[in-house]
Amino acid sequence: QSVLTQPPSASGTPGQRVTISCSGSNSNIGNKTVYWYQQLPRTAPKLLIYSNNQRPSGVPDRFSGSKSGTSASLAISGLQSEDEADFYCAAWDVSLSGHFVFGSGTKVTVL
Amino acid sequence: QVQLQESGPGLLKPSQTLSLTCTVSDDSISRSNYYWSWIRQPAGKGLEWIGRIYPSGSASYNPSLKSRVTMSLDTSKDQFSLKLRSVTAADTAVYYCARGLRRLRLLKYDYYGLDVWGQGTSVTVSS
Repeated sequence: QSVLTQPPSASGTPGQRVTISCSGSNSNIGNKTVYWYQQLPRTAPKLLIYSNNQRPSGVPDRFSGSKSGTSASLAISGLQSEDEADFYCAAWDVSLSGHFVFGSGTKVTVL
Repeated sequence: QVQLQESGPGLLKPSQTLSLTCTVSDDSISRSNYYWSWIRQPAGKGLEWIGRIYPSGSASYNPSLKSRVTMSLDTSKDQFSLKLRSVTAADTAVYYCARGLRRLRLLKYDYYGLDVWGQGTSVTVSS
């Protein structure tokens, strides 16, 4: 059972905007920054967003992150077929002496 | 371009100790801007953070694994390692090593995520 809750799936047609939610608590998202990772099929995860809404170099600006209170969201605008992947939110959790936690993951399907 | 490569046995028996090594190429694990992590993923399931170790050797572990996990560094070889004791079938997973980036700002570190990952190595625990 993940500490960070995400919907198991999301979908859209090419060009649409898709949003993925990530719900946490005051011990993680509420007081710490949020990261988002994209995992294409049969590959290692890739950092997509750090510090709630910052994109590493090379990540298209179609991907954007936001945070409000104990929840965060990842938006994919102009959905493309190559965006079909699993997406995970993550954050540091200050409980139990501190540890990193990943969300349950959301499978994005491009219809 | 920095690369990470996991290595270790792919098959273990219950109660044995899993030992994995991550070799870092074209970078130094001693740089203070980095920390080094292990993450695992059972087949068809999500990511689970195992722990991280800093260049100083200080480490943090997942509370659910803490009693069985040890991480270490070998700076002479730019390698870091994971040991997981008393494995069971529940430890069967793909194990990833990853580099974390941080920067010192105003006497405090800001963290920038796990920016480089190894390709992962599959570990099966079976009798």
